[in-house]
Amino acid sequence: DIQMTQSPSSLSASVGDRVTITCRASQGISNYLAWFQQKPGKAPKSLIYAASSLQSGVPSKFSASGSGTDFTLTISSLQPEDFATYYCQQYFSYPLTFGGGTKVNIK
Amino acid sequence: QVQLQESGPGLVKPSETLSLTCTVSGGSISNYYWSWIRQPPGKGLEWIGYIYYNGATNYNPSLKSRVTISLDGSKNQFSLRLNSVTAADTAVYYCARDIYFQHWGQGTLITVSS
Repeated sequence: DIQMTQSPSSLSASVGDRVTITCRASQGISNYLAWFQQKPGKAPKSLIYAASSLQSGVPSKFSASGSGTDFTLTISSLQPEDFATYYCQQYFSYPLTFGGGTKVNIK
Repeated sequence: QVQLQESGPGLVKPSETLSLTCTVSGGSISNYYWSWIRQPPGKGLEWIGYIYYNGATNYNPSLKSRVTISLDGSKNQFSLRLNSVTAADTAVYYCARDIYFQHWGQGTLITVSS
């Protein structure tokens, strides 16, 4: 199985901050990576697919990059609605696997 | 806009079979992968398996011996059966579309308890 490791596991940030989350795959996955946002009690919401492609309707303050084993998700200016847990997921090989999540807290 | 909705009993007894159905609306079930994913309370996400619209399946090896996913194209539904459940199977169960999960159901909490 491909292990997905996210860092940090949690972070505290202020409104307006630029935030970057990292996801590392245990082996190369090309660009077969997705990012999700999950708020408490809600289903995850798709933000990014193919490592850097924004899903329809997702604001441009979200951006992502990477290929191979190292990936990042950046929120350019954190807003109150962005406080949530973020997950990466690889779909290069089976079983499909997720990172452990990064919880973005209000400072 | 495609929508997914899980349905099934919220409580299952240990050693019994968990059965869930996902109803797809706003789009056809054809030409897509349809997955089940679960999330134990306070924990991360685990992919259970998928069924392709042609009936081909792929399961997570960690659950493969206990899982069956099936599809009813005439009803635009697909289903999950997980047998011999234990307390470790207590989780919110989600259905989702595609292998990069573009669309999700709202999730349903399944508790395994006597």
